[in-house]
Amino acid sequence: SQTIHQWPATLVQPVGSPLSLECTVEGTSNPNLYWYRQAAGRGLQLLFYSVGIGQISSEVPQNLSASRPQDRQFILSSKKLLLSDSGFYLCAWRTQGVGEKLFFGSGTQLSVL
Amino acid sequence: SQQGEEDPQALSIQEGENATMNCSYKTSINNLQWYRQNSGRGLVHLILIRSNEREKHSGRLRVTLDTSKKSSSLLITASRAADTASYFCATDHRGGGNKLTFGTGTQLKVEL
Repeated sequence: SQTIHQWPATLVQPVGSPLSLECTVEGTSNPNLYWYRQAAGRGLQLLFYSVGIGQISSEVPQNLSASRPQDRQFILSSKKLLLSDSGFYLCAWRTQGVGEKLFFGSGTQLSVL
Repeated sequence: SQQGEEDPQALSIQEGENATMNCSYKTSINNLQWYRQNSGRGLVHLILIRSNEREKHSGRLRVTLDTSKKSSSLLITASRAADTASYFCATDHRGGGNKLTFGTGTQLKVEL
């Protein structure tokens, strides 16, 4: 069966520090991968998605970047965090094709202080 | 911009009552999906309805889709305290590539 791992669960970082959040998927090949951010009590904002290794689509210009070095690994990064980067970050995957559902990781609560 | 907008933003009901949440969207879709999120957790897929379908059932869930009004509703019948969560609609819209766009969500509280 397929599983998705996202870590860490919580993270407290000072302003200006770097960030690296990692997400890995097991039990499937060539998935579409997604990073979403959720502000407290709000909906999900799509940040990045990837349809293959090295292929990254950015939805919102911002202080973050994403990379997909391996088929089932998706990394969210920042060189210098801002206060506005605080939020709940969710990684998700789905199989290629139309009409597929998303499977979400358990999320990372990031607080930038 | 968000494709889907749910209403109400918050809903509080008694156990045993039915809960109805609505979602509106702006552009043509391939399908619309509903997800549930418990506080501080990832989202879980509930049900998917395709653009050529009008109604779909899964257990206590009933979803309707009106493409002429660009709207959908999620009905949870005989609600339970365990149904307390946030519910989101998400649209897989035509020409949207591989993106799934989420609405702002409805926070449902079911009280004993």
